[in-house]
Amino acid sequence: EVQLVESGGGLVQPGRSLRLSCAASGFTFDDYAMHWVRQAPGKGLEWVSGISWNSGSIGYADSVKGRFTISRDNAKNSLYLQMNSLRAEDTALYYCAKTRSKRVDAFDIWGQGTMVTVSS
Amino acid sequence: EIVLTQSPATLSLSPGERATLSCRASQSVSSYLAWYQQKPGQAPRLLIYDASNRATGIPARFSGSGSGTDFTLTISSLEPEDFAVYYCQQRSNWVFTFGPGTKVDIK
Repeated sequence: EVQLVESGGGLVQPGRSLRLSCAASGFTFDDYAMHWVRQAPGKGLEWVSGISWNSGSIGYADSVKGRFTISRDNAKNSLYLQMNSLRAEDTALYYCAKTRSKRVDAFDIWGQGTMVTVSS
Repeated sequence: EIVLTQSPATLSLSPGERATLSCRASQSVSSYLAWYQQKPGQAPRLLIYDASNRATGIPARFSGSGSGTDFTLTISSLEPEDFAVYYCQQRSNWVFTFGPGTKVDIK
């Protein structure tokens, strides 16, 4: 079964850091680009960041550029999101998502998300 | 940044009716547009990719059309499980954006 399981969320104070992880199983992880998408409570979807299969291409939303860093470890079938200088507006459910192919593509598999709350 | 606008914000229909959802891009996205369905408490599910291709396992009552800046998701006959929020998404190199969503609820 193809599966993505996020972890690492929690309550954190403004200005602090948090690292999210996404464990992938059931597919050949290094065949696909991967992404992080977030959803603030009661709001819509916001793409956060994406990384190509070999980490050669990376993109960030303007709202997180310079504060968040995406990375992957293909040997461990894992995706990461290092979040620094967190703000209240970063409070959201963070989803890990797999693309349909190695290229820039739609997201066909999603995890269940990990909640990040930024508050003092 | 390419901005996506979805209309209407809410669509109130009855089971069996046809639903037509619109997504408009602020500039051309070619055919690089996807549609997702999200139900409360669940992760989004991919319905349509590249404007008109159904994802694996998606029923034939879902169809997508359009190119450039104007796109449409059509649900030919609403089933009870189709009442949900629908998002469009564009991809442009390594920048992705989602529309604000259309909620399809029961009339």
